[in-house]
Amino acid sequence: EAGVTQFPSHSVIEKGQTVTLRCDPISGHDNLYWYRRVMGKEIKFLLHFVKESKQDESGMPNNRFLAERTGGTYSTLKVQPAELEDSGVYFCASSRDRYTGELFFGEGSRLTVL
Amino acid sequence: AQSVAQPEDQVNVAEGNPLTVKCTYSVSGNPYLFWYVQYPNRGLQFLLKYITGDNLVKGSYGFEAEFNKSQTSFHLKKPSALVSDSALYFCAVREFNAGNNRKLIWGLGTSLAVNP
Repeated sequence: EAGVTQFPSHSVIEKGQTVTLRCDPISGHDNLYWYRRVMGKEIKFLLHFVKESKQDESGMPNNRFLAERTGGTYSTLKVQPAELEDSGVYFCASSRDRYTGELFFGEGSRLTVL
Repeated sequence: AQSVAQPEDQVNVAEGNPLTVKCTYSVSGNPYLFWYVQYPNRGLQFLLKYITGDNLVKGSYGFEAEFNKSQTSFHLKKPSALVSDSALYFCAVREFNAGNNRKLIWGLGTSLAVNP
């Protein structure tokens, strides 16, 4: 079974540019989550999809962040325009069970905004 | 508000010795508790969880954790550490009756170094 895959693994952009991160969850996992870890700080929840619907997007920092999951398969997270404070590692995770199941994480996409 | 504390940034232990990585939490209701591990250049990997039942939970790679409700702790343990256990360990909590709120609240992580 293929795991959660994220692309790109590392992106370096300048302030004001746009970046789109992609996550392919494990097949059959309806639940997809985005988390972010800024250097030296805790991992923070961004949002949760159930299939193509946003179940909880309370962690999205501001309207420069847009997440989509068309068709309930892969998801994209777009940052436009990027700011310095957006730098960090963006993790995607998926799960079959939304209540008690463990999350399966991708390797993360490291974003560096210069 | 929910929170997780991992009081040690780094834990050093000699190979073969027992290890403990500490975690305390705060939730308003009953907790779901998790430990994840991140090996270098890898994604986070599930180790174990406490939902209900026996306070001692056994997980992957010989790790276990003990839920202590009175001390609001969920410390990770292993009787005999291996060099390959060296990694970053994260504790996380979710409130039991969280309704539609499925998000995990994470600790800052503890870097475990096992010395040969």
